[in-house]
Amino acid sequence: DADVTQTPRNRITKTGKRIMLECSQTKGHDRMYWYRQDPGLGLQLIYYSFDVKDINKGEISDGYSVSRQAQAKFSLSLESAIPNQTALYFCATSSTGGLNTGELFFGEGSRLTVL
Amino acid sequence: QKEVEQNSGPLSVPEGAIASLNCTYSDRGSQSFFWYRQYSGKSPELIMFIYSNGDKEDGRFTAQLNKASQYVSLLIRDSQPSDSATYLCAVNEGKSTYKYIFGTGTRLKVLA
Repeated sequence: DADVTQTPRNRITKTGKRIMLECSQTKGHDRMYWYRQDPGLGLQLIYYSFDVKDINKGEISDGYSVSRQAQAKFSLSLESAIPNQTALYFCATSSTGGLNTGELFFGEGSRLTVL
Repeated sequence: QKEVEQNSGPLSVPEGAIASLNCTYSDRGSQSFFWYRQYSGKSPELIMFIYSNGDKEDGRFTAQLNKASQYVSLLIRDSQPSDSATYLCAVNEGKSTYKYIFGTGTRLKVLA
């Protein structure tokens, strides 16, 4: 099983619908991230969290919200989806331990299409 | 705005050749540099990280860092068709140990 699991893997929805993407991890990492990837634009940071009480906006947080339900769970919500939120979304984790290299561990991705 | 720039490619090399991928960054405060490989439709996975000026070798991969010129490169020796993927350069933002700026990636095609 993957260490960082995202659900759903694929979702097609309509404009205006509320969507939640979920992420859970078994790596025991404190830091969790949500990224969005669009063709030609690379990975853009939406939100990141250091623990359940510490959530921070990234560079493209407008139109998104997050919840850190537990150390291992970090969900991303689109309150009212719009077509330009069609993208591939990645959850990632990283360690804060002494051997931390800064490496990000990515989930398998959630492909969202908003019609 | 802090940026990380990569040539989008595709970079085509014959099997067995050396592939050279380059990345430039704008933030002089950056201290950590990463190369991720991403196969089509898959998630990025770390290939190399480098913190100090100079070369770092790991198997067929060599990362090179020149902080004065603000570039980092990845060399892949004896390129294989399985190396065909998009390679993402990532740089930490300033002195942050938790925020990273990603380049748009270079697509590498290794021709059999």
